[in-house]
Amino acid sequence: DIQMTQSPSSLSASVGDRVTITCRASQSINSYLNWYQQKPGKAPKVLIYGASSLQSGVPSRFSGSGSGTDFTLTISSLQPEDLATYYCQESYSTPWTFGQGTKLEIK
Amino acid sequence: QVQLQESGPGLVKPSGTLSLTCAVSGGSFSSGNWWSWVRQPPGKGLEWIGEIDHSGGTNYNPSLKSRVTISVDKSKNHFSLKLSSVTAADTAVYYCARLLEDNITGTTLLDYWGQGTLVTVSS
Repeated sequence: DIQMTQSPSSLSASVGDRVTITCRASQSINSYLNWYQQKPGKAPKVLIYGASSLQSGVPSRFSGSGSGTDFTLTISSLQPEDLATYYCQESYSTPWTFGQGTKLEIK
Repeated sequence: QVQLQESGPGLVKPSGTLSLTCAVSGGSFSSGNWWSWVRQPPGKGLEWIGEIDHSGGTNYNPSLKSRVTISVDKSKNHFSLKLSSVTAADTAVYYCARLLEDNITGTTLLDYWGQGTLVTVSS
């Protein structure tokens, strides 16, 4: 199985801040990396797929980059509604695996 | 707009079998997508359980493979999960989701999810 490691596990930022979350795969997964946002009590929602493609309807302040083993999710200007836990997920091979999550809090 | 809805017992006894169904509306099992189950223990992260395609082909997480069966009923537009020999460690919110293959990037993504259903394993 491919292991996905996210950092940090949690972070606190202010509205308007630029926020970066990283994800590292235990082996190269090319660009087969997705990012999900999960708000409290809700199902996950895909934000980014293929490492850098923005899912339809997702605000443009979200962006993704990276390839191989190292990936980044960036929120260019944090908004109050971005309070959530963010997960990366490899789509290179089954079993699909997720990172442990990054809990984002608003200061 | 594809919608998914999980249903099934919210309480299962230890050593019993967990059975859930996911009803799909707005989408077809003949469209070539795969249909997945994902679970999330309370306060923890996401774990992929397995998936099924329209023809009944399956992939399972090796960590659960000996206990999992996923099936599809195209006539009813739903797919199902059975997890046998459950313990307290199987207590989780269970989600069903659609796995879409993007034709441009060639990648797959879980693009539609049900709202999730909490299953508690307890006597």
